[in-house]
Amino acid sequence: EIVMTQSPATLSVSPGERATLSCRASQSVSSNLAWYQQKPGQAPRLLIYGASTRATGIPARFSGSGSGTEFTLTISSLQSEDFAVYYCQQYNNWPPLYTFGQGTKLEIK
Amino acid sequence: QVQLQESGPGLVKPSETLSLTCTVSGGSVSSGSYYWSWIRQPPGKGLEWIGYIYYSGSTNYNPSLKSRVTISVDTSKNQFSLKLSSVTAADTAVYYCARDRGTEYDRNFDYWGQGTLVTVSS
Repeated sequence: EIVMTQSPATLSVSPGERATLSCRASQSVSSNLAWYQQKPGQAPRLLIYGASTRATGIPARFSGSGSGTEFTLTISSLQSEDFAVYYCQQYNNWPPLYTFGQGTKLEIK
Repeated sequence: QVQLQESGPGLVKPSETLSLTCTVSGGSVSSGSYYWSWIRQPPGKGLEWIGYIYYSGSTNYNPSLKSRVTISVDTSKNQFSLKLSSVTAADTAVYYCARDRGTEYDRNFDYWGQGTLVTVSS
């Protein structure tokens, strides 16, 4: 089973600043990585898939990069609505298994 | 706009079977372009994929839950369902249904239900 490890567990950033979140896979997942945002009491929201493609309706300030085992989600200029928990997720096609990272909480500094 | 809505009991006794249904609107579970998944999240914790179903009835489950999980689909009602047997307190979680999109090698979840909290307690 591929293990996804996110860092840091908590990130404190001021509004308007850049946030950089990391996700590491225990073995290569190529570019098959997605990022989600989850706010309290809400379902996760797909932000990025294919490591770098923004999902429909996602603002351009969200960008994803990386391949293999190292991935990054960057939020270029934090807005108040961006403070949330972020998860990365990979898919292994055989046997089929989806695994998520443990999450990074992005909080207001 | 695709919408998913979970329904089912919010309280289940230990050793019994948890049963939830997801009703899809604005889209069809019969679409060959998607799988339909269940995902859960224990309170204050991360996300765990439970399993998916294809409109044909083909399923795949998380190996850690496989012995206790059954997912089924009812295309006439545009619904899919989850049954988890022999539940314990460790199965207490918010359960989400989600549309599962992507390619053979890159799959992810673009539409989610709002989630339903299921508590396992006597």
